[in-house]
Amino acid sequence: DIVMTQSPDSLAVSLGERATINCKSSQSVLHSSHNKNCIAWYQQKPGQPPKLLIYWASTRESGVPDRFSGSGSGTDFTLTISSLQAEDVAVYYCQQYYTTLPYTFGQGTKLEIK
Amino acid sequence: QVQLVQSGAEVKKPGASVKVSCKASGYTFTGYYMHWVRQAPGQGLEYMGRINPNNGDTRYAQNFQGRVTMTRDTSISTAYMELSRLRSDDTAVYYCVRDADYGDYFDYWGQGTLVTVSS
Repeated sequence: DIVMTQSPDSLAVSLGERATINCKSSQSVLHSSHNKNCIAWYQQKPGQPPKLLIYWASTRESGVPDRFSGSGSGTDFTLTISSLQAEDVAVYYCQQYYTTLPYTFGQGTKLEIK
Repeated sequence: QVQLVQSGAEVKKPGASVKVSCKASGYTFTGYYMHWVRQAPGQGLEYMGRINPNNGDTRYAQNFQGRVTMTRDTSISTAYMELSRLRSDDTAVYYCVRDADYGDYFDYWGQGTLVTVSS
């Protein structure tokens, strides 16, 4: 199985400041046939299911604010929130979909306001 | 609009089985795989497997092989996940999840079904 490791486990950032969450995969998730990285990012607020933010490592889902961006390639990926808003308090997960069984998620990063 | 509506919370005893349903609407049910993901209290996300609603083909994660069965009823656009021989560590919220058009990331999630296993 591909192991996804996020860092940090928790993060406190001031409103308006940048938040950066890292995700490392145990093997490359770059799909050679279409040169895309099979990484998605999700946001989960308490009592809600996860919400898709980013796919193909850097493509923002429709309706997601442009303060959210994804980057990285191969085994190292980053989710950046450029200017933290109060409504961004949540747990964030990365997911690899390079290998089917199983798809695997990072352990989650809890983002709070400083 | 796409909606996945799951059945209600369940309380089961160890050793029993549970069957969770997921009714899809707003899209062609047979056109997208349906996956199941679970989340233990305060924990992360764990992938269980998927079903192709078009032909019923299933693929299960190794952790659940032999205990999980995914089925569907295309006449009512509903997918089912049955987990048998329940243990206390199966206590979790179970989500049905639709995959996206062009990749196996998950763009629509059900609201979740809490399954509590307790004697």
